[in-house]
Amino acid sequence: DAGVIQSPRHEVTEMGQEVTLRCKPISGHNSLFWYRQTMMRGLELLIYFNNNVPIDDSGMPEDRFSAKMPNASFSTLKIQPSEPRDSAVYFCASSPTGQGGGYTFGSGTRLTVV
Amino acid sequence: AQSVTQPDIHITVSEGASLELRCNYSYGATPYLFWYVQSPGQGLQLLLKYFSGDTLVQGIKGFEAEFKRSQSSFNLRKPSAHWSDAAEYFCAVALYNQGGKLIFGQGTELSVKP
Repeated sequence: DAGVIQSPRHEVTEMGQEVTLRCKPISGHNSLFWYRQTMMRGLELLIYFNNNVPIDDSGMPEDRFSAKMPNASFSTLKIQPSEPRDSAVYFCASSPTGQGGGYTFGSGTRLTVV
Repeated sequence: AQSVTQPDIHITVSEGASLELRCNYSYGATPYLFWYVQSPGQGLQLLLKYFSGDTLVQGIKGFEAEFKRSQSSFNLRKPSAHWSDAAEYFCAVALYNQGGKLIFGQGTELSVKP
């Protein structure tokens, strides 16, 4: 199993540009999570999906952030327009449905907005 | 509100000495608890998890953790630290009454001196 795959690994963009982060969860995992990690705020849960349906997006900081999961094998996190304060590492994680499942994290996307 | 607290921001131990990283949680239902480790520039790797049963759980890399319901704690221990253990450690609780939402503590940075 290739694990949770995120792309790109690094992204540098100018303020105001649109940024799209991608995630491929582990096959068979029904839950997908997007986290943001910063020095100041630690690991924050942005949004999570169960069976491709968004369950809780209360962690999404602003309307500039949006996430989709069009099918069980792909999710995107989009920031439009991007701002310097969005600079962070964004992690995707997936887990199987039900209690007892573990959470597997991707390697993350390091986003820098200049 | 549900939360995870890691009281120690930074701990330094000598190589070969024992180590203990503290974790306290606040959650009304049965907790499902995890410890993750993150090396610089890397993603999060699962060390161990507790769901039920024996309150002392063994993990990878020689780590163990003990669940104490009366103290709402899930401390991570290792009898003999190795230089390669230097990393950031995160305690987390899964909220299965909220669709499996996983929330993290702020992390403890572990340094190992020769």
